[in-house]
Amino acid sequence: DVKVTQSSRYLVKRTGEKVFLECVQDMDHENMFWYRQDPGLGLRLIYFSYDVKMKEKGDIPEGYSVSREKKERFSLILESASTNQTSMYLCASTLGTGGADTQYFGPGTRLTVL
Amino acid sequence: GNSVTQMEGPVTLSEEAFLTINCTYTATGYPSLFWYVQYPGEGLQLLLKATKADDKGSNKGFEATYRKETTSFHLEKGSVQVSDSAVYFCALSGPYSGGGADGLTFGKGTHLIIQP
Repeated sequence: DVKVTQSSRYLVKRTGEKVFLECVQDMDHENMFWYRQDPGLGLRLIYFSYDVKMKEKGDIPEGYSVSREKKERFSLILESASTNQTSMYLCASTLGTGGADTQYFGPGTRLTVL
Repeated sequence: GNSVTQMEGPVTLSEEAFLTINCTYTATGYPSLFWYVQYPGEGLQLLLKATKADDKGSNKGFEATYRKETTSFHLEKGSVQVSDSAVYFCALSGPYSGGGADGLTFGKGTHLIIQP
């Protein structure tokens, strides 16, 4: 079974802090994704990566950056956290065979910015 | 751009009732279509998918047919159980893609509650 793990289930940070959310997958998947999930808005794509050191913007990249130094790890960085970044963050990965790939999701990190 | 529209709910049904959750989409090209499910306290997992027009995806008694003419992918189940209570998301591949990877565009999710 594919396993996608996220470093924390719950995180509380203060406005202006730099925040790192970590995601690791154990099945040698090529592609990794970061989404945020908000009530009434569903999931929205922040960034994704199709290879080490490669990244592409999604629907809402503003205020975020990402890092992929190793194939299995994809980090989401909030350079200066703000209250409107309080949300559930979901990481996902796909094998890399095309648009019909199944996305495998981690359990999510619920981030609260005070 | 791409978009997905689905009823938000909550949708409340009795056990053994027939379920339909409507999903319509707007997209360029020929996206793949998906239903994902999120059980309480868990991450999202794929329920079923279809990759081209007239394909039917099915799993765990759920089905959905890719209807290009009506741009729809409605989820159905003939007899729901209490264990089907969850949030259901309709999604399509794209439009953000690069290097062979496709991000998904999701609907807002439908909260389904099944009462015994």
